[in-house]
Amino acid sequence: QVQLQESGPGLVKPSQTLSLTCTVSGGSISSGDYYWSWIRQPPGKGLEWIGYIYYSGSTYYNPSLKSRVTISVDTSKNQFSLKLSSVTAADTAVYYCARDKLSTGGAFDYWGQGTLVTVSS
Amino acid sequence: DIQMTQSPSSLSASVGDRVTITCQASQDISNYLNWYQQKPGKAPKLLIYDASNLETGVPSRFSGSGSGTDFTFTISSLQPEDIATYYCQQYDNLPGFGGGTKVEIK
Repeated sequence: QVQLQESGPGLVKPSQTLSLTCTVSGGSISSGDYYWSWIRQPPGKGLEWIGYIYYSGSTYYNPSLKSRVTISVDTSKNQFSLKLSSVTAADTAVYYCARDKLSTGGAFDYWGQGTLVTVSS
Repeated sequence: DIQMTQSPSSLSASVGDRVTITCQASQDISNYLNWYQQKPGKAPKLLIYDASNLETGVPSRFSGSGSGTDFTFTISSLQPEDIATYYCQQYDNLPGFGGGTKVEIK
């Protein structure tokens, strides 16, 4: 059974960089069948896709966040990571990592439990 | 950017009712449309992929249809455990979500 687990600071100061890591267990991140995504959800609001990475390191980002986002992968640790720079209060959200199954039209079939990141001084 | 218009934003129905949610894409996305259920405090759960395919383990009262720009998600007989917010998600170029539909029991 594939499991994803987010980790990282729950509080980030404005203008700083948000950093999160997703650890994948029960399956290899190096499988060519999936993209590995970050998705966020501000409190009481809808879902926003941030970006994804392929095991080779190829990345695709939401154009609205592209200038501030970096997603990287560490296949040796079966992890992928998110960095979001110059954060403001508008970046306060629950951040999810998820697996994007390429063969199912890009459906996110496994998700982490989510981690709340608050941007505040 | 492809815009996804999901409606209604909320609905209230009785146990056993048929519930229908629609999602309209701003351009043709073929069948690249998925549906999720999200309960409070939980991650979304995939229910339907490629517009009409039921994810493994999902009850058969859930179904999806459509192609191109117009899609429908149906709960054939609403159960108390179906209280949740439902989201559509397109995947034509890059992923994007609809605004969500909150389903409540009348």
